[in-house]
Amino acid sequence: GEDVEQSLFLSVREGDSSVINCTYTDSSSTYLYWYKQEPGAGLQLLTYIFSNMDMKQDQRLTVLLNKKDKHLSLRIADTQTGDSAIYFCAESEGTALIFGKGTTLSVSS
Amino acid sequence: GAVVSQHPSRVICKSGTSVKIECRSLDFQATTMFWYRQFPKQSLMLMATSNEGSKATYEQGVEKDKFLINHASLTLSTLTVTSAHPEDSSFYICSASRTGSLGELFFGEGSRLTVL
Repeated sequence: GEDVEQSLFLSVREGDSSVINCTYTDSSSTYLYWYKQEPGAGLQLLTYIFSNMDMKQDQRLTVLLNKKDKHLSLRIADTQTGDSAIYFCAESEGTALIFGKGTTLSVSS
Repeated sequence: GAVVSQHPSRVICKSGTSVKIECRSLDFQATTMFWYRQFPKQSLMLMATSNEGSKATYEQGVEKDKFLINHASLTLSTLTVTSAHPEDSSFYICSASRTGSLGELFFGEGSRLTVL
């Protein structure tokens, strides 16, 4: 079945860039997504990228997609303490989403 | 953005009782809603896909007689955990797909179920 893999933890200093990586298996996924989950809160869609794109930039967020290697990354520039959360990568399977286990981003000041 | 609301956000019940969780799309019509379950420190696991006016499609390993899903209208889906047991304690999250939203899903805040 489809599988989405992410590293579990990332720790950065405030002001640095964060890069969260993800690999997926379903080459037919039309969209790939990044969701953010803050403590005690629901999921919030951060950004998504269409499968025929290589890169998408949205303010501090940059998404890179390597479709050949099935690798997706999320770069957060000038990381702030408020960015501390769990970040989930997800691939589309029909109309449902398959999520990775999430990467916990810890930002220290 | 689109809003999906879940209720209740937290529920504690005794073993053997049934609990109903509601998922509402507040400002759009959702033909399809999804129910996910999240275990501590783990990802979301898709339980079932709920289509308005038809039976839900359950993922492999999910007991449809235990987790009853009803999608009676374009804005409401319900998940009923029947004869709940402590192992059913979990965080249940619904999401809704809005027609024409390029596949974007909108998530509810989640419902924390604790079965004593």
